[in-house]
Amino acid sequence: QVQLQQSGAELAKPGSSVKISCKASGYTFTSYYISWIKQTTGQGLEYIGYINTGSGGTNYNEKFKGKATLTVDKSSSTAFMQLSSLTPDDSAVYYCARGIQGDAWGQGASVTVSS
Amino acid sequence: DIVMTQGALPNPVPSGESASITCQSSKSLLYSDGKTYLNWYLQRPGQSPQLLIYWMSTRASGVSDRFSGSGSGTDFTLKISRVEAEDVGVYYCQQFLEFPFTFGSGTKLEIK
Repeated sequence: QVQLQQSGAELAKPGSSVKISCKASGYTFTSYYISWIKQTTGQGLEYIGYINTGSGGTNYNEKFKGKATLTVDKSSSTAFMQLSSLTPDDSAVYYCARGIQGDAWGQGASVTVSS
Repeated sequence: DIVMTQGALPNPVPSGESASITCQSSKSLLYSDGKTYLNWYLQRPGQSPQLLIYWMSTRASGVSDRFSGSGSGTDFTLKISRVEAEDVGVYYCQQFLEFPFTFGSGTKLEIK
């Protein structure tokens, strides 16, 4: 069955970076984009962007340009999102999802930014 | 950005009754291809969101036929027939017509 397995919780210091992974299984990885979504209690669900897993092409929400960097490793069917220059506002649960329509989601990766 | 506005439910909803969740978009989501670019998701407590409906009215694989989506270009409804305990959670609408794709703020369903 289709599965997206995300990496574990991260505790990071302000100004640092984290890299979250999303390993896909149960389908042909390069046949679907991977989307990334941020969830916070205050802002709800925010769409960060997506990556074309075949070409590596990306499309970022303006709000997350310079904050998030999306990459893929086709050899391991894994998508990555790096978050840089972290601030407390980046504390959230981050999800990867299959395709634009998100017909399968990872379990979420919690990122906490605190000194 | 397209703004998605969701209505509230008169919680709790009695088990076995129907519930309708509304969602309004600031721009028509009906495209020239005849499709309406709207998704519905359910996020159960402690879980990731799950796709229920896409293209406004098409049920995702494995989704109960108790869930149905309808609407026009800007006004949408998710109807849940005969609500059950497993339907508890927060329902989100999302537009994927224009980037950045945007979500509604969510509608919580509680069961009595």
